[in-house]
Amino acid sequence: DAGITQSPRYKITETGRQVTLMCHQTWSHSYMFWYRQDLGHGLRLIYYSAAADITDKGEVPDGYVVSRSKTENFPLTLESATRSQTSVYFCASKVGVGQGVVEQFFGPGTRLTVL
Amino acid sequence: AQSVTQPDIHITVSEGASLELRCNYSYGATPYLFWYVQSPGQGLQLLLKYFSGDTLVQGIKGFEAEFKRSQSSFNLRKPSVHWSDAAEYFCAVSNTGGFKTIFGAGTRLFVKA
Repeated sequence: DAGITQSPRYKITETGRQVTLMCHQTWSHSYMFWYRQDLGHGLRLIYYSAAADITDKGEVPDGYVVSRSKTENFPLTLESATRSQTSVYFCASKVGVGQGVVEQFFGPGTRLTVL
Repeated sequence: AQSVTQPDIHITVSEGASLELRCNYSYGATPYLFWYVQSPGQGLQLLLKYFSGDTLVQGIKGFEAEFKRSQSSFNLRKPSVHWSDAAEYFCAVSNTGGFKTIFGAGTRLFVKA
């Protein structure tokens, strides 16, 4: 199906384990983003990528690693999960940069619980 | 510092009543402003956006928003709420390139019959 997908949709893990959340988009959008959503905070940007092999930190990058070897994929890795990383994670994409080209398209989210 | 404030954590309105959700922002340059809606268990969907021109913006699902520079506000309105509008609503501000977007904490809308 066309669009932006995330997997898994739900994940339970234990403190200290490595977890990778996947994000795939079929639009060939240049920009991709990872957000976390926590009650009372709205969405906070973790990392974003302007193109393959180009990534940059957002507001809350600590404890997370990203890579983007292909335009369509943007995985997010928690190298050693902590309870504070229990959250709902959203991936988003955007076609590019330019006047009016600002809308982001969001995936359905991954609910991660760290025990 | 750039920020977005949504003063109301939750709002309850009766079906058929009018709705206004408040949003105030702090941004140094000309902002790009958005309203997104999130239904339970879903991702965010764009309702409308503003970056220039007419300060009254029309969106999907019968929503509109008005940009008031003097008040640093971008309030969302709907003249008649439907039960299906029950969701969480996020106001957001972005830089010119659209790659640094700041979201408000959200307002949850409850609709009563």
